[in-house]
Amino acid sequence: AQKVTQAQTEISVVEKEDVTLDCVYETRDTTYYLFWYKQPPSGELVFLIRRNSFDEQNEISGRYSWNFQKSTSSFNFTITASQVVDSAVYFCALSEVLGSNYKLTFGKGTLLTVNP
Amino acid sequence: DGGITQSPKYLFRKEGQNVTLSCEQNLNHDAMYWYRQDPGQGLRLIYYSQIVNDFQKGDIAEGYSVSREKKESFPLTVTSAQKNPTAFYLCASRAGTGVFGYTFGSGTRLTVV
Repeated sequence: AQKVTQAQTEISVVEKEDVTLDCVYETRDTTYYLFWYKQPPSGELVFLIRRNSFDEQNEISGRYSWNFQKSTSSFNFTITASQVVDSAVYFCALSEVLGSNYKLTFGKGTLLTVNP
Repeated sequence: DGGITQSPKYLFRKEGQNVTLSCEQNLNHDAMYWYRQDPGQGLRLIYYSQIVNDFQKGDIAEGYSVSREKKESFPLTVTSAQKNPTAFYLCASRAGTGVFGYTFGSGTRLTVV
């Protein structure tokens, strides 16, 4: 079975600090996809990034960056110069093939609080 | 604009009553999903459906039922057999091919008293 572990339950930082959210996954699939979602207090899940297992290039998008390392089965997420609006629960997820369908397996989430 | 509509946002029910949560999408997506979220537990899959009139149990299907009579609709019924129904419920959909294009609704918070 697939598994996603987000060891950090809660993180609290002061605005402008950099923060890294950890994600470790387990899968037997050779082809898979990893995702990060943000869940603000309003509840909806906001898609941040998708990465496939063949693409280990790191990615930067504004203040966000992602470090995918297949050798350690990790897909960590860094926010540079954090802002109060970054406060949310962040979920890492892994795709799983179910016949002709796909299923996302989520980690338990990391609650990030950015204080002014 | 295309998206997923979940209604209502907040729902209260008495213990022992069945309740149906609505999920409607106008994205023309084939696959639809129901997830349950509890504090500190992440999202867990309840049911999913790849096509109309077909659906499969997820990891925590006991006490829930679904139907998929139309492509755009995937209602979830929380039955009285569900031991601990109070939770946040999220509906999602996905386009037919590949793992791309998951879209989530804004959720329904169900409280059973």
